[in-house]
Amino acid sequence: QITLKESGPTLVKPTETLTLTCNFSGFSLDSLGVGVGWIRQPPGKALEWLALIYWDDDKRFSPSLETRLAITKDTSRNQVVLTMTDMDPVDTGTYFCAHSPDYGEPFDTWGQGALVAVSS
Amino acid sequence: DIQMTQSPSSLSLSVGDSLTITCRASQSISGYLNWYQQKPGKAPKLLISGASNVHSGAPSRFSGSGSGTDYTLTIRSLQPEDFATYYCQQSHDTPLTFGGGTRVEI
Repeated sequence: QITLKESGPTLVKPTETLTLTCNFSGFSLDSLGVGVGWIRQPPGKALEWLALIYWDDDKRFSPSLETRLAITKDTSRNQVVLTMTDMDPVDTGTYFCAHSPDYGEPFDTWGQGALVAVSS
Repeated sequence: DIQMTQSPSSLSLSVGDSLTITCRASQSISGYLNWYQQKPGKAPKLLISGASNVHSGAPSRFSGSGSGTDYTLTIRSLQPEDFATYYCQQSHDTPLTFGGGTRVEI
């Protein structure tokens, strides 16, 4: 059974850097084709894809946020970490991590989400 | 970037009704189209992958079709638990993109 769970701060100040960790189980991120992605959702709004890291350390980012994002994996600890710099109130929302079994495949399992508020 | 246009944005229906949601991509996505269901305060759940493959655990009243740029999600005989928001998403290429969502209300 695949599970994922996001963790990180619930409140960050404007201009600060957000660091979110996705702890997962039930799969290995060094298996061929497997990826873990991050998706966010502002309150009452649609889903927005942020980043994706694959088994071979191939990293993909949303072009509109690429300069602010970094994604890393720690296969031994079953973790994926997303950092987003220069946080702004418009970045407030729920941040999800999710599993993708292969290139071109959907996100078939999602974490419960982590609500992040950006406010001074 | 591939833009995903979903319609309608919302609709009100009754238990037992059927509905069709459409999703149009700004260019061909060759069937790499996925549908998710999201309930308030919860993570999205995968319903359909590859345009028409019903994900394990999704009820058989959900079906998907389409090709090229145009795709549909159909729900036959709405059940109370189907009232939710539905999103399409293309996985043909990065950046991955989602539609704006369709809110299905009673």
